[in-house]
Amino acid sequence: DVKVTQSSRYLVKRTGEKVFLECVQDMDHENMFWYRQDPGLGLRLIYFSYDVKMKEKGDIPEGYSVSREKKERFSLILESASTNQTSMYLCASSWPGTDTQYFGPGTRLTVL
Amino acid sequence: AQSVTQLGSHVSVSEGALVLLRCNYSSSVPPYLFWYVQYPNQGLQLLLKYTTGATLVKGINGFEAEFKKSETSFHLTKPSAHMSDAAEYFCAVSDPGAAGNKLTFGGGTRVLVKP
Repeated sequence: DVKVTQSSRYLVKRTGEKVFLECVQDMDHENMFWYRQDPGLGLRLIYFSYDVKMKEKGDIPEGYSVSREKKERFSLILESASTNQTSMYLCASSWPGTDTQYFGPGTRLTVL
Repeated sequence: AQSVTQLGSHVSVSEGALVLLRCNYSSSVPPYLFWYVQYPNQGLQLLLKYTTGATLVKGINGFEAEFKKSETSFHLTKPSAHMSDAAEYFCAVSDPGAAGNKLTFGGGTRVLVKP
């Protein structure tokens, strides 16, 4: 089975802190994605990557950056956390040429 | 740009009753279409998908969906609801020709199953 893991299930940070969210997949997927999930808005794409060291902005990249130094790991970085970044963050991965994405369990981030 | 609209953010059904979740999309090209389910405190899990071919698609747990191009719809149904179907359901579309296999999601529909 495909497994996508995220470093934390729950995280509480203070305004202005630098926050790292880590995602690891074990199926050699080339594509990886970061979404945020908010009630009534569904999932919105923040960034995605289709190869090591490659990244593309999604629909809501402002306030976020990403890093992909190894194929299996995709990190989401909040350079200076703000309260409006309080949300559920979901990571996903897929093979190129397929549209089925496999999701991690999510990280619920609260910024105080 | 693609968009997805799910009618009804909350749906309540009785156990044994029909489950019908509505999804309409807009896309400039024939899209691929998906339904995902999210159980409490979990990530999303694929229920079913339509890419090409037969427009009635069967998925896991007794769910099915029908792609209707003329109505730009991809509604999800299950004939008889079970308590374990209580979850949030997301419809999504992708552009088969776009790089990176990005998905665009609807706002989600939370299903409550009453005994």
